Amino acid sequence: SQQGEEDPQALSIQEGENATMNCSYKTSINNLQWYRQNSGRGLVHLILIRSNEREKHSGRLRVTLDTSKKSSSLLITASRAADTASYFCATARLLGNEKLTFGTGTRLTIIP
Amino acid sequence: EPEVTQTPSHQVTQMGQEVILRCVPISNHLYFYWYRQILGQKVEFLVSFYNNEISEKSEIFDDQFSVERPDGSNFTLKIRSTKLEDSAMYFCASSDQLGFGPDTQYFGPGTRLTVL
Repeated sequence: SQQGEEDPQALSIQEGENATMNCSYKTSINNLQWYRQNSGRGLVHLILIRSNEREKHSGRLRVTLDTSKKSSSLLITASRAADTASYFCATARLLGNEKLTFGTGTRLTIIP
Repeated sequence: EPEVTQTPSHQVTQMGQEVILRCVPISNHLYFYWYRQILGQKVEFLVSFYNNEISEKSEIFDDQFSVERPDGSNFTLKIRSTKLEDSAMYFCASSDQLGFGPDTQYFGPGTRLTVL
């Protein structure tokens, strides 16, 4: 698999349900970031979790990081129609100017 | 809230023409980046810029590409002779310093480049 690969590729759930997306990566990282992208639009930063952190919360978002398994998950609770978008994880390496390596993304559709 | 801005939002050009994509990073940020996303594909890193010089570039960033920070506020990406395969959404990003390195990267809304 490639650095920063999300699964599932697509996810459809009913409004109000929780959505969980996973990301796996290969190399050691400094941090992992999650972004949202509405169709054809820009990337909106959601949350950053550092390699020494295991869990982080921001509003309805919960991110976990397991560096031993080189994986992360993004949980969106109580989903809303406005959450419909593509979600990407992006990893920053340990050294260097922290270029981000993006995954392939999960396309989330919230059904009203 | 401060944000990264990019102009134009959409640029259409003929193959072989030069284009300049412009970005205004968040004020006081120190690290600047260009990424691109070909339709339906993942976002790819092009180049990073710090302390008035390129700090890293990808294989994509060949001699046809250049970046500049001409006046302390703008950050530009120039493609000298565009090719059909340069058609993509180009994103600018900037980040502040945290400790000895960059912090969270904030992205602009993108410029959609169409090469005909």
